[in-house]
Amino acid sequence: AQTVTQSQPEMSVQEAETVTLSCTYDTSENNYYLFWYKQPPSRQMILVIRQEAYKQQNATENRFSVNFQKAAKSFSLKISDSQLGDTAMYFCAFMVQGAQKLVFGQGTRLTINP
Amino acid sequence: GAVVSQHPSWVICKSGTSVKIECRSLDFQATTMFWYRQFPKKSLMLMATSNEGSKATYEQGVEKDKFLINHASLTLSTLTVTSAHPEDSSFYICSARVASGRANEQFFGPGTRLTVL
Repeated sequence: AQTVTQSQPEMSVQEAETVTLSCTYDTSENNYYLFWYKQPPSRQMILVIRQEAYKQQNATENRFSVNFQKAAKSFSLKISDSQLGDTAMYFCAFMVQGAQKLVFGQGTRLTINP
Repeated sequence: GAVVSQHPSWVICKSGTSVKIECRSLDFQATTMFWYRQFPKKSLMLMATSNEGSKATYEQGVEKDKFLINHASLTLSTLTVTSAHPEDSSFYICSARVASGRANEQFFGPGTRLTVL
């Protein structure tokens, strides 16, 4: 079975700072996808960024980038120039290629302070 | 594109009654929909996977007779909480997987807050 672990229950940084959220996972599969989702106070889940395991290049979406270390089974999210609107719960998630289920981590509550 | 709606957004009901929650994909067809439950400050817990035209697949520990799921069309899945009790109070979220395109991507609804008195 796949598991996803987010070891930081809460984080807090000042606006404009850079913050990194950690995520590790455990799987015996070789082909899979990794995701970071954001859940703001509205509770709407929003996809932030995704990574295909077969791609060596780290995914980037504007201020959001990942550090994907396949051998270490690590998938951290870096938020650059953090903004107040980045305040949210962030969930790391895993999906085996060809499967349907998303496996979520416990979440990290990120607060951006003015 | 890829918008998923849920109705109602919140509901309060009396213990012992049944509540139906709808999940609709508004601008795409979804072969598969998923129902999650989320407790306060906790992660999403998958309850069941719903495939159009077939019976839902429930996760271990989820009572299928209590949480009835119907996926009658490619754009609609419903979750009915039968004989609701206070412990069923929670935030319920659905997601939908597109029938074409990037099949590994799920789009989430805004959630339904259920309070059972």
